[in-house]
Amino acid sequence: DAKTTQPNSMESNEEEPVHLPCNHSTISGTDYIHWYRQLPSQGPEYVIHGLTSNVNNRMASLAIAEDRKSSTLILHRATLRDAAVYYCILYSGGSNYKLTFGKGTLLTVNP
Amino acid sequence: DVKVTQSSRYLVKRTGEKVFLECVQDMDHENMFWYRQDPGLGLRLIYFSYDVKMKEKGDIPEGYSVSREKKERFSLILESASTNQTSMYLCASSLGEGRQLNEKLFFGSGTQLSVL
Repeated sequence: DAKTTQPNSMESNEEEPVHLPCNHSTISGTDYIHWYRQLPSQGPEYVIHGLTSNVNNRMASLAIAEDRKSSTLILHRATLRDAAVYYCILYSGGSNYKLTFGKGTLLTVNP
Repeated sequence: DVKVTQSSRYLVKRTGEKVFLECVQDMDHENMFWYRQDPGLGLRLIYFSYDVKMKEKGDIPEGYSVSREKKERFSLILESASTNQTSMYLCASSLGEGRQLNEKLFFGSGTQLSVL
C-alpha cells in the first residue's frame, strides 16, 4: 500500500480555518485519497474523499495537488467538536477493501 | 444515517475464555470489517466479509475467527482469549456494489476488551 505522511499534531483556534496536510508521494494513478476522523471515544467517521479534483462537502474541503503527491483537508471554521485525530488514507481497492490507517494528525482546537 | 452497533462498550474477560464480539448494521451493507486499535499501532484489519458466509483474512487474523450467518450481523470470536488481545475492537460496514474505490466505511463506537 502507498504510504501517507501527516504531522503528528496541529493546533487551531475556534472559528479559524484549519489546513491539515498529507503527503503521499508514491500514490498510484488509481488511488483515491480518503480522509477519516476519530473523535474521542468513538470509531472513525468518514469525512471526504477525492481522486484528482478538489472536493467540497458539508464537513470539509479537500484540495489535491496537481501532481497528486499531496493533499490538504480544509476545515473552514474549526469548532471545539472538530478536535479529533484526522487520518489521510490511500485506497487502492484490489482484491479487498483494506483501508490502511496510519497514526493520523491530532487536531487540538482552542476556545 | 447508517448505524453500526457493537453489542458491548466495555468487556472484561479472563485468559482462556471464549469471547464473542457482536456487530450489527442496519443499512443492508454487503461488506463488514473487524479492526483492532492499539496505541502507537493505529487501526489494523483483522477480518472482513463481503457476503453472507464469506470471509477473508486481514493483516492480523491469528487468534481470531469470524462468523457471518446473516447479512446484518458480523461476529468476531476469540477462541481462547489472551492478554495480548486486550484492545479496542472496531466494527465497520460499507455498501459494496462491486468493490468501488470510493467506498465509505461506517464504524461502530467500539468495544474496549480487557483480558486479565
